[in-house]
Amino acid sequence: GQQLNQSPQSMFIQEGEDVSMNCTSSSIFNTWLWYKQDPGEGPVLLIALYKAGELTSNGRLTAQFGTTRKDSFLNISASIPSDVGIYFCAGRTQGGSEKLVFGKGTKLTVNP
Amino acid sequence: DGGITQSPKYLFRKEGQNVTLSCEQNLNHDAMYWYRQDPGQGLRLIYYSQIVNDFQKGDIAEGYSVSREKKESFPLTVTSAQKNPTAFYLCASSRGLSNYGYTFGSGTRLTVV
Repeated sequence: GQQLNQSPQSMFIQEGEDVSMNCTSSSIFNTWLWYKQDPGEGPVLLIALYKAGELTSNGRLTAQFGTTRKDSFLNISASIPSDVGIYFCAGRTQGGSEKLVFGKGTKLTVNP
Repeated sequence: DGGITQSPKYLFRKEGQNVTLSCEQNLNHDAMYWYRQDPGQGLRLIYYSQIVNDFQKGDIAEGYSVSREKKESFPLTVTSAQKNPTAFYLCASSRGLSNYGYTFGSGTRLTVV
């Protein structure tokens, strides 16, 4: 099936640092979504992007829909301990099956 | 409040037994999905359903079965044919397949001993 390359796989940072992660695809996407999964829970939607170049913020989180439509980025500023979890990107291809395709996740650890 | 409920949160079964995981939503969503999550593997799609009485296999359907008799419910049965059933199972729903994000349940951790 369709693959999304999400990187990095894991990050270990100090509280207060900024975080960046990204997803890339070989196909053009018309929707990008970013989810966060707390340990032992289901993923929760953080940000949805629908237009190339779109930049959207949700508190300390900012995500961008890449201009090539084949990538997306998520930044977290001034990280805090509760940012710990797994961050998933998800996308929907243009003219594809319309189901969401998920990246394998970025596991974030924040040291106080 | 509307949401999607998975039960139970933890489930233990003996090898060779079938087990059914429950998923109920009151969001009036048409589409529902089952994913399996293993460490480092991300989310792998087992089955999905766009409408009542219809469902399609996902990427890893072997050893699993589903039914969609009601819009609100999409139970997943893990059969004895599933070679490695111990995993975290996530159910999700969406208004349709197009242009909507998924709402996830809180998951069921199945352990087969």
